[in-house]
Amino acid sequence: AQRVTQPEKLLSVFKGAPVELKCNYSYSGSPELFWYVQYSRQRLQLLLRHISRESIKGFTADLNKGETSFHLKKPFAQEEDSAMYYCALKPNQGGKLIFGQGTELSVKP
Amino acid sequence: NAGVTQTPKFQVLKTGQSMTLQCAQDMNHNSMYWYRQDPGMGLRLIYYSASEGTTDKGEVPNGYNVSRLNKREFSLRLESAAPSQTSVYFCASSANRDSEQYFGPGTRLTVT
Repeated sequence: AQRVTQPEKLLSVFKGAPVELKCNYSYSGSPELFWYVQYSRQRLQLLLRHISRESIKGFTADLNKGETSFHLKKPFAQEEDSAMYYCALKPNQGGKLIFGQGTELSVKP
Repeated sequence: NAGVTQTPKFQVLKTGQSMTLQCAQDMNHNSMYWYRQDPGMGLRLIYYSASEGTTDKGEVPNGYNVSRLNKREFSLRLESAAPSQTSVYFCASSANRDSEQYFGPGTRLTVT
């Protein structure tokens, strides 16, 4: 079965601390993995995708096929990073995104 | 460009009432989607339209119908609303089924 799991509902860190939002997936093929972010009162937007291998707003994520994980990391969290983060998987036949349950990141001053 | 727009922003319905959620995009995208967002469950796909003239069921289609009116517009209809349909509904579009999805601002629906 295709599934995305984000084990933490809420992650609270202090400004300047490292942050890691966990994402594990279940899929037998080679999926595309994404991180979406939803800031307060804003629409959901793409943060990064694994195939682009880029760093956006200081965030990076590495696809680990052996552990079927796609954790999102940032070395020094900022208050403006506070938001809801969703990990998502797209099966290799395309189209439908499968979202995880979401993790709320709270960065305290 | 407005991107993806949704109307209404908020709606309260009584059980059994019907309503249509409207979605439009001005990016000339081929594919459009409807999701619902519930606490602790993330976003779940209700219906999608890979291209104009086609619609397909997603993960949670029961209780909903959709219409791809034209390339720009994709509506979601609740024929007989139930409290279990209380949720935030998001519309999204993408250039094609393999492209990045762009989301609308959402419609917060409460069914009492």
